Amino acid sequence: RKEVEQDPGPFNVPEGATVAFNCTYSNSASQSFFWYRQDCRKEPKLLMSVYSSGNEDGRFTAQLNRASQYISLLIRDSKLSDSATYLCVVNMGNNAGNMLTFGGGTRLMVKP
Amino acid sequence: NAGVTQTPKFRILKIGQSMTLQCTQDMNHNYMYWYRQDPGMGLKLIYYSVGAGITDKGEVPNGYNVSRSTTEDFPLRLELAAPSQTSVYFCASRPRTNDYNEQFFGPGTRLTVL
Repeated sequence: RKEVEQDPGPFNVPEGATVAFNCTYSNSASQSFFWYRQDCRKEPKLLMSVYSSGNEDGRFTAQLNRASQYISLLIRDSKLSDSATYLCVVNMGNNAGNMLTFGGGTRLMVKP
Repeated sequence: NAGVTQTPKFRILKIGQSMTLQCTQDMNHNYMYWYRQDPGMGLKLIYYSVGAGITDKGEVPNGYNVSRSTTEDFPLRLELAAPSQTSVYFCASRPRTNDYNEQFFGPGTRLTVL
């Protein structure tokens, strides 16, 4: 079983649609959680951190379910510019270097 | 601030050649990391450093070496290049303060070994 697992997609959605991605992680002791965005042939960039109480940033909402060990990302009113790969990222804890474990990414394509 | 810079952007190596991938950050971050990303895959950690003079292995260290003589620089060395090392290499850095600190990535080096 992969440590951080995501559906690779692609998710093809029209502009204005709402789309949701899920991610599961294997280590129940994991400490911190993130969604990173990666554009084609570019470096990953932090989209948002995921807190236990859930958090929202504009059209983006992230939620964490520790009991079921999954993280979700909801994008409302999709824009063409949201087309990218979304990486689920977990700090599994107990590591001096605050190392992150990356999922394989979910590709989103927003079409006109 | 330039952030995290990497050189070169692209490189083609022959099997058995050596090279050093350069990484520099100007944010005074303690932690630095090297990842590789194969096509369609997530990032895998090669080596990391929690400060000058301290390095440690990540998930896939075989075939690579690193050093950290200064806070700013964290070069990655490939001694005997193999086709399996064809990948995109990303360097990243972060401050030490708490678990939710962002990792900042460089633009990557695309390496092909033929």
